[in-house]
Amino acid sequence: AQSVAQPEDQVNVAEGNPLTVKCTYSVSGNPYLFWYVQYPNRGLQFLLKYITGDNLVKGSYGFEAEFNKSQTSFHLKKPSALVSDSALYFCAVRDLYNFNKFYFGSGTKLNVKP
Amino acid sequence: DVKVTQSSRYLVKRTGEKVFLECVQDMDHENMFWYRQDPGLGLRLIYFSYDVKMKEKGDIPEGYSVSREKKERFSLILESASTNQTSMYLCASSEPGQGTDGYTFGSGTRLTVV
Repeated sequence: AQSVAQPEDQVNVAEGNPLTVKCTYSVSGNPYLFWYVQYPNRGLQFLLKYITGDNLVKGSYGFEAEFNKSQTSFHLKKPSALVSDSALYFCAVRDLYNFNKFYFGSGTKLNVKP
Repeated sequence: DVKVTQSSRYLVKRTGEKVFLECVQDMDHENMFWYRQDPGLGLRLIYFSYDVKMKEKGDIPEGYSVSREKKERFSLILESASTNQTSMYLCASSEPGQGTDGYTFGSGTRLTVV
């Protein structure tokens, strides 16, 4: 079975500090991994993806994520958090046997305090 | 700008009512999906469709049905609404096959069943 896990329901960080939102995956082959962000009462927006190549992937709004095969992780990072980054973040993996389907984590709420 | 549009942002329905949630995309995507989002549970797939008049059950199809008569429109139907179907419903679309793109999401419909 393929899945992703987000071990933290909530992450709190002060504005200007670096942030990390964690994601681990369980996939039998090479994973296609994604991060999405959801602002209040809105749908999910694509942030970034890892398909192959460089382990450090850069995405929208200054976010980046590091793919670590040995630790089966794909943590989302940003060097300096903004209050406007406060939102719900979802990690997702694409189904290797049915590329049309994704499996989502349970979400992590990021709170950035001024 | 590509879009997935969900016709209602907020809905309040009574127990036992038949409820229709509409989703329209303008990207000529073949795949369309319905998810429900609940706190702590992340996104759970209800139904998806790869083409007109085609549908497949997701992980939690009980109490729901879908209709896809036109490529751009995918409707979710609650045959007899119940309070445990109170949730945020998200529609998404994507390109088919082995592409590397993720989903494009609508803004969501927050349904309350009373």
